[in-house]
Amino acid sequence: GAGVSQSPSNKVTEKGKDVELRCDPISGHTALYWYRQSLGQGLEFLIYFQGNSAPDKSGLPSDRFSAERTGGSVSTLTIQRTQQEDSAVYLCASSPGRHQETQYFGPGTRLLVL
Amino acid sequence: RKEVEQDPGPFNVPEGATVAFNCTYSNSASQSFFWYRQDCRKEPKLLMSVYSSGNEDGRFTAQLNRASQYISLLIRDSKLSDSATYLCVVQGGSGNTGKLIFGQGTTLQVKP
Repeated sequence: GAGVSQSPSNKVTEKGKDVELRCDPISGHTALYWYRQSLGQGLEFLIYFQGNSAPDKSGLPSDRFSAERTGGSVSTLTIQRTQQEDSAVYLCASSPGRHQETQYFGPGTRLLVL
Repeated sequence: RKEVEQDPGPFNVPEGATVAFNCTYSNSASQSFFWYRQDCRKEPKLLMSVYSSGNEDGRFTAQLNRASQYISLLIRDSKLSDSATYLCVVQGGSGNTGKLIFGQGTTLQVKP
């Protein structure tokens, strides 16, 4: 079946602009995670959605970052007033929904802020 | 101190060699442990879960030592196709929502 998909695959933007990154999880997966991988850094957790529960936003680096998940499926990560340090690969993962289950990653969106 | 620590390498080994990667984690409440593989410019993919009893999948053997908070991965008879970055990952713990905590990754380069 279809895996996790993300769009766009690449995004180049100018400093100060807003960007939206999209994630389509695997059908039926209720848990959705966003991670970020910066050059030379490990993957870091950003935000987690589980069903209708309040999201865990503990990993968001600043209030310029926000995310939504509409209808329990598609998620959008928004970065406002982008900075050069926001340049990274943004990865989305989904899992069936219970803790300790395998997370399946999408191909990521490569964001470059000039 | 990072929550999950790995030697970044690189490990350069010849084909057929046996290579071992180690990892330590700081949160004793962590509940699940994994090795992920990440190829250059690709997303991470689950290689195997890690259990205290140890588990083996073909040429790959993973081991967890909860007392020492130590995780290992052994690759036997290395293939060129094993060249990648291997990520040590932990999950769970008090208040944790299932998010994965990644190590920096260990780079393996298998040479002919």
